[in-house]
Amino acid sequence: EILMTQSPATLSVSPGDRATLSCRASQSISTNLAWYQQKPGQAPRLLIYGASKRATDIPVRFSGSGSGTDFTLTISSLQSEDFAVYYCQQYDNWPPVTFGGGTKVEIK
Amino acid sequence: QVHLQESGPGLVKPSGTLSLTCTVSGASITRHYWSWFRQTPGKGLEYIGSTFYATTATYNPSLQRRVSISLDSSKNQFSLSLTSVTAADTAVYFCAKDSAPGPYYNFYMDVWGKGTMVLVSS
Repeated sequence: EILMTQSPATLSVSPGDRATLSCRASQSISTNLAWYQQKPGQAPRLLIYGASKRATDIPVRFSGSGSGTDFTLTISSLQSEDFAVYYCQQYDNWPPVTFGGGTKVEIK
Repeated sequence: QVHLQESGPGLVKPSGTLSLTCTVSGASITRHYWSWFRQTPGKGLEYIGSTFYATTATYNPSLQRRVSISLDSSKNQFSLSLTSVTAADTAVYFCAKDSAPGPYYNFYMDVWGKGTMVLVSS
């Protein structure tokens, strides 16, 4: 089972600032990585797949990068609706697909 | 627009069986892979298993002895059964749709249900 590690656990950012979230895989997963956003009481929402491809209707301020074991999700200019928890998920080696522990983006 | 809705008991007794159903609207149950996940504060998001029409389901090895996922095309639903539950199975359970058109799969999910809380307690 591939272990996914996200950092930091919590990120305090001011609206309008850039947020950079990290995700590391315990072994190479090529670019088979997705990012999700989750708000309290809601289901995860797909943001990024293939490490860098935006899902349908996802704003351009969300971008993903990386390959192999190290990945980054960047939110270029944080809007109020972006404060949430973000998860990475590998789908290179399954079952099971596995998720990181999440990064909470909170208002500074 | 595709919509998924989980349903089932919110309380299950220890050693009992957890049974949930996911009702799909806006898409045919025969056209995609469908999955179950659960989420707890301690273990985070956990994959349970997936199924596709007329194929054998795939399960998380950690749950394989206790889990079964089935699909009912006549009702456009798929279901989860988890036996011999303990407090560790207390979680919010989500159903989700694979982003690829069947019979292909991506194993990242583009539509999720809102989730249903299941408490295992006597």
